[in-house]
Amino acid sequence: KAGVTQTPRYLIKTRGQQVTLSCSPISGHRSVSWYQQTPGQGLQFLFEYFSETQRNKGNFPGRFSGRQFSNSRSEMNVSTLELGDSALYLCASSLGGLPAYEQYFGPGTRLTVT
Amino acid sequence: QQQVKQSPQSLIVQKGGISIINCAYENTAFDYFPWYQQFPGKGPALLIAIRPDVSEKKEGRFTISFNKSAKQFSLHIMDSQPGDSATYFCAASRGNTPLVFGKGTRLSVIA
Repeated sequence: KAGVTQTPRYLIKTRGQQVTLSCSPISGHRSVSWYQQTPGQGLQFLFEYFSETQRNKGNFPGRFSGRQFSNSRSEMNVSTLELGDSALYLCASSLGGLPAYEQYFGPGTRLTVT
Repeated sequence: QQQVKQSPQSLIVQKGGISIINCAYENTAFDYFPWYQQFPGKGPALLIAIRPDVSEKKEGRFTISFNKSAKQFSLHIMDSQPGDSATYFCAASRGNTPLVFGKGTRLSVIA
């Protein structure tokens, strides 16, 4: 069974631009969670989608948004990029009964904001 | 407020030795405690997880020990190998809430 895939793997953007990251979950998984990973803050939860609905949301500004499609694929968008948004963005999928259980992570998208 | 505190930040262990990583949590409502392993350039991979109704769970060389009264849990890696060199994260969650992660421990196993 194919794992979680994320595209693109690397991205360089300029401050003020916006960016869209994509995540394809494991087949059959209905929950997709997004995390931001930085050396200083570690892994921080952004949001979780289940059946196209946002089920949980972390403590990030409104510039960070996401959505999930009917095939469970998910996208996250960051508008008006700031230097501090440079990070590894990870998505994780699970069957969906409860969002945290048995989460499987993708390889991440490395975003660099200059 | 950091809900899951992980220690040590880094650890160097001789090949064949035991690696021990500790985590402490604050929220007594947490009911799921996984450990993740992350290699450079990869996403975290679920290693082993425990629920609070058991005090220990073993999978191969990896063991989680859980102390509910102390609100602590730990990962033991027996017969540590160079291939175990990675960053390890503990996490916790309750019910339908997202995972809360510790800050991570960078393990280096030297020959």
